[in-house]
Amino acid sequence: EIVLTQSPATLSLSPGERATLSCRASQSVDIYLAWYQQKPGQAPRLLIYGASNRATGVPARFSGSGSGTDFTLTINSLEPEDFAVYHCQQRSHWPLTFGGGTKVEIK
Amino acid sequence: QVHLQESGPGLVKPSETLSLTCTVSGGSISSPSYYWGWIRQPPGKGLEWIGSFYYEGSIYYNPSLNSRVTISADTSKNQLSLKLWSVIAADTAMYYCARLPYGGQSHNYVDYWGQGTLVTVSS
Repeated sequence: EIVLTQSPATLSLSPGERATLSCRASQSVDIYLAWYQQKPGQAPRLLIYGASNRATGVPARFSGSGSGTDFTLTINSLEPEDFAVYHCQQRSHWPLTFGGGTKVEIK
Repeated sequence: QVHLQESGPGLVKPSETLSLTCTVSGGSISSPSYYWGWIRQPPGKGLEWIGSFYYEGSIYYNPSLNSRVTISADTSKNQLSLKLWSVIAADTAMYYCARLPYGGQSHNYVDYWGQGTLVTVSS
């Protein structure tokens, strides 16, 4: 199975700062990677699919990039509601797999 | 607007069978446009895909659980079911029902999630 490794585990930032989250795959997943946001007590929400496409209703401050094995989720100018856990997921190969998550917390 | 609602016991004893049902409204599990699946999340940990059902009867399982899990569907009730046999403490998790588009750019990403149901394995 494809292992997704997210880093860092925790990112401590202030509102208005830029967040850069990484997701690395154990083998190429081409561009078949998604990012999800999860707030406490809630189900995850799809943010980015196909590595760089924003899902419906996702603000433009969220952007995704990368291909192959290295992917980045960037959140420009963090808003208070952006402090959450972010997960990546690949759909290149069965089984579908997720990364371990990155928590973006308020510094 | 599609809505997925999980239901089932919140407490299961070790070695017994975990059984959950997902009732889908606002959409049909018989649609060729979607997979319908189960994903779980142990407390404080990451997400794990369990398996997915496709309308023509194909079911895909995570090999890590394959020998202990069965996913089935009742199209007359628009429900998806999950059975996990011989549970252990490590199966304690929030279990989510999920919709995953089939085909197109969103193929096999989760675009709708249920609210989840917490299942604890304990005697």
